[in-house]
Amino acid sequence: AQSVTQPDIHITVSEGASLELRCNYSYGATPYLFWYVQSPGQGLQLLLKYFSGDTLVQGIKGFEAEFKRSQSSFNLRKPSVHWSDAAEYFCAVDGRVFGNEKLTFGTGTRLTIIP
Amino acid sequence: EAQVTQNPRYLITVTGKKLTVTCSQNMNHEYMSWYRQDPGLGLRQIYYSMNVEVTDKGDVPEGYKVSRKEKRNFPLILESPSPNQTSLYFCASSLSNGYRETGELFFGEGSRLTVL
Repeated sequence: AQSVTQPDIHITVSEGASLELRCNYSYGATPYLFWYVQSPGQGLQLLLKYFSGDTLVQGIKGFEAEFKRSQSSFNLRKPSVHWSDAAEYFCAVDGRVFGNEKLTFGTGTRLTIIP
Repeated sequence: EAQVTQNPRYLITVTGKKLTVTCSQNMNHEYMSWYRQDPGLGLRQIYYSMNVEVTDKGDVPEGYKVSRKEKRNFPLILESPSPNQTSLYFCASSLSNGYRETGELFFGEGSRLTVL
């Protein structure tokens, strides 16, 4: 069964510092991979996605993520965080292209920004 | 404006009183899905639908029903709500034409349900 692990429940960083949020997946092939962000009281918004090709993908709001097949990882990064980046971040695995009709989310990482 | 609309946004009800949370999308998406979000558990899929009249269970379907009679609508029905169904519910939709093409999920703003 496909699964997604986000090992960090809560991360605190200072404004202006760099950020890396970890995501590991378990799947029989390379699925589609997504990162979503949920601001307080809001629904989820897509940050970026990986389907194939270049393993470093750029997203909105200055985020990027790198797919590493050998590590089954898809970590999210930002060189310099802003106070508005405080939110919850979800990694997701999409197996639908393989006939598995499920899109599975990780448990999320809550990001707190210190001024 | 492309959007997924859920109603109600907030609801407090009592055990056993049937309720329906509506979901409508205006993007002509084939795929629609319901999730519940609980602290420490992330988003868990309740039911999904690949297209009209095609629905299937997700990871936590117990206590819920769905129907997909029209492409744009995907209501979530709680026939006899219980306190363990107190949660934040999200409806989402995406393109998925069944030919190895799929797209990002677009989410509604959520429906916070409390069952007393």
